[in-house]
Amino acid sequence: AQSVTQLGSHVSVSEGALVLLRCNYSSSVPPYLFWYVQYPNQGLQLLLKYTSAATLVKGINGFEAEFKKSETSFHLTKPSAHMSDAAEYFCAVTKGGFQKLVFGTGTRLLVSP
Amino acid sequence: NAGVTQTPKFRVLKTGQSMTLLCAQDMNHEYMYWYRQDPGMGLRLIHYSVGEGTTAKGEVPDGYNVSRLKKQNFLLGLESAAPSQTSVYFCASGGTDTSSYNSPLHFGNGTRLTVT
Repeated sequence: AQSVTQLGSHVSVSEGALVLLRCNYSSSVPPYLFWYVQYPNQGLQLLLKYTSAATLVKGINGFEAEFKKSETSFHLTKPSAHMSDAAEYFCAVTKGGFQKLVFGTGTRLLVSP
Repeated sequence: NAGVTQTPKFRVLKTGQSMTLLCAQDMNHEYMYWYRQDPGMGLRLIHYSVGEGTTAKGEVPDGYNVSRLKKQNFLLGLESAAPSQTSVYFCASGGTDTSSYNSPLHFGNGTRLTVT
């Protein structure tokens, strides 16, 4: 069965600093990977998705993620954090076909001035 | 375009009471899902539906029932609420055909349920 592990329940950065949120996956077949963001009192929104077309995936709001099969990782990065990036971020995986996603436990990003 | 709408937004129940959460989507999606979100546990799938008239169990189905009588609606029922069902419930929808595995899910804004 596929699963994802997000390292760090909380990550704190200063405004303007690099954002790195970690996600490792396990899957018996080539996976489809996603990052979702959740702002306070809202549902989840798609940031980006990997579907094997390219290993470096660019998403909304300046975020990107790189699929590394050798490391079974799909880490999310942003060169310069903004206060508005403060939110909870979820990595998710599906093995394809019917899109029953499996979510990680989430990482809360805190951005300080 | 409303997307995915959940009602109610908040609810407080006493142990043993019943209630139904309603999810409505206007995007003609085939697939609909109910998740619960608890601190430190991410989102866990309760039930899902691959089309009108169909439902299936997810990861944590016990204590819940669902129905999908119309394509645009997906109802989640709690027959006898328990404190362990205190959570935030999210409905999501996505995909219009069997090749939709890389289509994003669209989420509602959640229902915060407290069972005392």
